[in-house]
Amino acid sequence: GQQVMQIPQYQHVQEGEDFTTYCNSSTTLSNIQWYKQRPGGHPVFLIQLVKSGEVKKQKRLTFQFGEAKKNSSLHITATQTTDVGTYFCAGPPRSNYQLIWGAGTKLIIKP
Amino acid sequence: DTGVSQDPRHKITKRGQNVTFRCDPISEHNRLYWYRQTLGQGPEFLTYFQNEAQLEKSRLLSDRFSAERPKGSFSTLEIQRTEQGDSAMYLCASSPPGQGWEGDTRELFFGEGSRLTVL
Repeated sequence: GQQVMQIPQYQHVQEGEDFTTYCNSSTTLSNIQWYKQRPGGHPVFLIQLVKSGEVKKQKRLTFQFGEAKKNSSLHITATQTTDVGTYFCAGPPRSNYQLIWGAGTKLIIKP
Repeated sequence: DTGVSQDPRHKITKRGQNVTFRCDPISEHNRLYWYRQTLGQGPEFLTYFQNEAQLEKSRLLSDRFSAERPKGSFSTLEIQRTEQGDSAMYLCASSPPGQGWEGDTRELFFGEGSRLTVL
């Protein structure tokens, strides 16, 4: 079936270090969305990328959508404690509208 | 607060009992979704409404699960004869109308979720 794989499952960083999560789909996606879920919270929409090769920035966050529209990445520069949470990618295959979700990457800041 | 609201936030029940969850979406959103999430996993799609019409239901969804959105506003998700494997967070989300082009998806606005524990 159609799958979206996300790696790594966890990433431990020191505050101030960078963080990257990668998303790979088994099928071409119409678009890719990124969500953040704080511990004990619900997913909150961050951004949507639609175009092949698109790059978008939100302050310290940089989002990329691959040329083949099958992969994406989220990079956070100089992590802060407020960045803690799980980051999910999700996208609809071309054939229908429902989002297929990755399992998420949990960002943990080392004390 | 005009966000998505869900009720109850927590439900503990015994195996075999029926449970019902309610979701009130953002008022101008015509699309409503139910998802299930277990620890360490992303949300798993259950079903989707556009206005009052249930347009899609996951093939993985047991016939013990039923959802309604009778007037195109709030929605209910009922689980009959609950099993321990039904224990999860049930998330409702809504989104505004799309523009109609293929693959048009809008951002989802999630509620806080209803956590179900089946003993």
